[in-house]
Amino acid sequence: AQKVTQAQTEISVVEKEDVTLDCVYETRDTTYYLFWYKQPPSGELVFLIRRNSFDEQNEISGRYSWNFQKSTSSFNFTITASQVVDSAVYFCALSFRRGNTPLVFGKGTRLSVIA
Amino acid sequence: DVKVTQSSRYLVKRTGEKVFLECVQDMDHENMFWYRQDPGLGLRLIYFSYDVKMKEKGDIPEGYSVSREKKERFSLILESASTNQTSMYLCASSSLLAGARYNEQFFGPGTRLTVL
Repeated sequence: AQKVTQAQTEISVVEKEDVTLDCVYETRDTTYYLFWYKQPPSGELVFLIRRNSFDEQNEISGRYSWNFQKSTSSFNFTITASQVVDSAVYFCALSFRRGNTPLVFGKGTRLSVIA
Repeated sequence: DVKVTQSSRYLVKRTGEKVFLECVQDMDHENMFWYRQDPGLGLRLIYFSYDVKMKEKGDIPEGYSVSREKKERFSLILESASTNQTSMYLCASSSLLAGARYNEQFFGPGTRLTVL
């Protein structure tokens, strides 16, 4: 079975703190893709990153970084020096090599950054 | 940029009404999806379609049907709305073309449906 677990339901941090959002996935496929999406209060999901299963290189984009570890089936997301605008619900998702399959989403982590 | 639009941001309907939620995408994507989002439950897939006139049930299809007569449009239909269908409905589309955005889902702004 394919499954994505985001164990942290809600996180609250003070502005400028670093915060890591956890994502653990389960799949029997050897080829798959992992995604992170952000859902701000406006409601629309915004794509942040896609990583394929062959590429375990960590990625950094500005204040955002992602740590993909196949050995622990995790794809964690870190925000450095958090800002109030980072407040949102963040979803981790999993999809398979075959393109016409839906994403499997985790239940999301609500991040609140307090000024 | 890809644009996915949904016919309404907010909708209020009465129990028993037939409800149509429309979704249109402008990037010639093959795949289209309908999700509902409820607090604590994340996004749950209702139906998806990978081609015109094709549809596949998702995790929670009961009480819903879909229609895809044209590639760009995917409609979600609540045959007889009930209060437990009060939710946020999100439409998404994705491409099968290889490339940097392969299988990335693009989402619409959502429709918040209230059934009274």
